[in-house]
Amino acid sequence: QQQVKQSPQSLIVQKGGIPIINCAYENTAFDYFPWYQQFPGKGPALLIAIRPDVSEKKEGRFTISFNKSAKQFSLHIMDSQPGDSATYFCAASETPDKLIFGTGTRLQVFP
Amino acid sequence: DGGITQSPKYLFRKEGQNVTLSCEQNLNHDAMYWYRQDPGQGLRLIYYSQIVNDFQKGDIAEGYSVSREKKESFPLTVTSAQKNPTAFYLCASSVGWGDTSQETQYFGPGTRLLVL
Repeated sequence: QQQVKQSPQSLIVQKGGIPIINCAYENTAFDYFPWYQQFPGKGPALLIAIRPDVSEKKEGRFTISFNKSAKQFSLHIMDSQPGDSATYFCAASETPDKLIFGTGTRLQVFP
Repeated sequence: DGGITQSPKYLFRKEGQNVTLSCEQNLNHDAMYWYRQDPGQGLRLIYYSQIVNDFQKGDIAEGYSVSREKKESFPLTVTSAQKNPTAFYLCASSVGWGDTSQETQYFGPGTRLLVL
């Protein structure tokens, strides 16, 4: 069964810290790996995405690291802020019509 | 102001009742999706539609039905056959496929369904 395993389930950091969220997948045919950010009571919003032909992608304070051989990818949030407190979901897909989501990580950033 | 709208924000269902959740998009996207979100779980795909008048079952379609009569609308009906309907329901859309640059799914604000 196609799965995306995400860890940790929750994460607490102080302002300025660098939270890291990890995801692992099994299906080597996956070729698109997005991260979504969701605030309480809202729909998820695309944060950043990567394809397996690159090992790292940065957008502002958010960085995806991708390890194709280990079938793992991670999200790093540099200089985290209280406004980054949200639930983060990784996902993967082989075909555009079917994203497989991780179970989510609830991040809390304290001042 | 382009985007995806879902209504209502909260919906209450009585036992044995069918309820319909609305999803409308003005992004001119071909593909639309319905997901269910439960606490501590990821998003699970209920149904998706690639084009008007066509749709496919996702991973948890039992107890749900959809229609796609118009490009901009993809309503979801939660039937009485769905025994555990309490969840947060999310609608999404994407440009389409056939082109991997079109994979990004954009989500609506969600509808929270509660059983009375």
